[in-house]
Amino acid sequence: KQEVTQIPAALSVPEGENLVLNCSFTDSAIYNLQWFRQDPGKGLTSLLLIQSSQREQTSGRLNASLDKSSGRSTLYIAASQPGDSATYLCAVRLQGAQKLVFGQGTRLTINP
Amino acid sequence: EAQVTQNPRYLITVTGKKLTVTCSQNMNHEYMSWYRQDPGLGLRQIYYSMNVEVTDKGDVPEGYKVSRKEKRNFPLILESPSPNQTSLYFCASSLSSRTGAFYGYTFGSGTRLTVV
Repeated sequence: KQEVTQIPAALSVPEGENLVLNCSFTDSAIYNLQWFRQDPGKGLTSLLLIQSSQREQTSGRLNASLDKSSGRSTLYIAASQPGDSATYLCAVRLQGAQKLVFGQGTRLTINP
Repeated sequence: EAQVTQNPRYLITVTGKKLTVTCSQNMNHEYMSWYRQDPGLGLRQIYYSMNVEVTDKGDVPEGYKVSRKEKRNFPLILESPSPNQTSLYFCASSLSSRTGAFYGYTFGSGTRLTVV
């Protein structure tokens, strides 16, 4: 059974810092991995999608990497801003299964 | 604007009173799915649909029904809601993977359901 783990569960950093969020998964038979952002009580906003054949994807200040063999992904946020405060979720799309398996998320707080 | 639209956003109902949460997408996606999000349990899939008239159970289907009569709509039906179905519900859609490419998911804004 695929399990997705995100560490840490919560992170608080001062504005301007670069930071890394971690995601690990137990089964490397994935189609892709997607990072989402969720604001309190709100929906999920897709940030980055990495296909299983790719190593990384970039969008603005965000960079996501994927190491399928070790079952790890990282989301790098450069020059953090208070508006980046949210919960970040990673999810893997399994081969042979029509669903996403989500991690529990990392709750990020950027302090002005 | 490409989006997944859920209604209502908030709903308080009583045990046993049938309700429907609607979901509509304007991206011509074949694949649609429902998830529920609960503290400590994360997001779990309820049902999914690969295309019109094709639906299947996810991880937590008990107490729910779905239908897919049109490509754009995928309503979630609670025939007899119970308090343990109090949750935050999300609808999601994606292009099909039959072409060999695996696309990302677009999620709706969520429906917060309280059953008393």
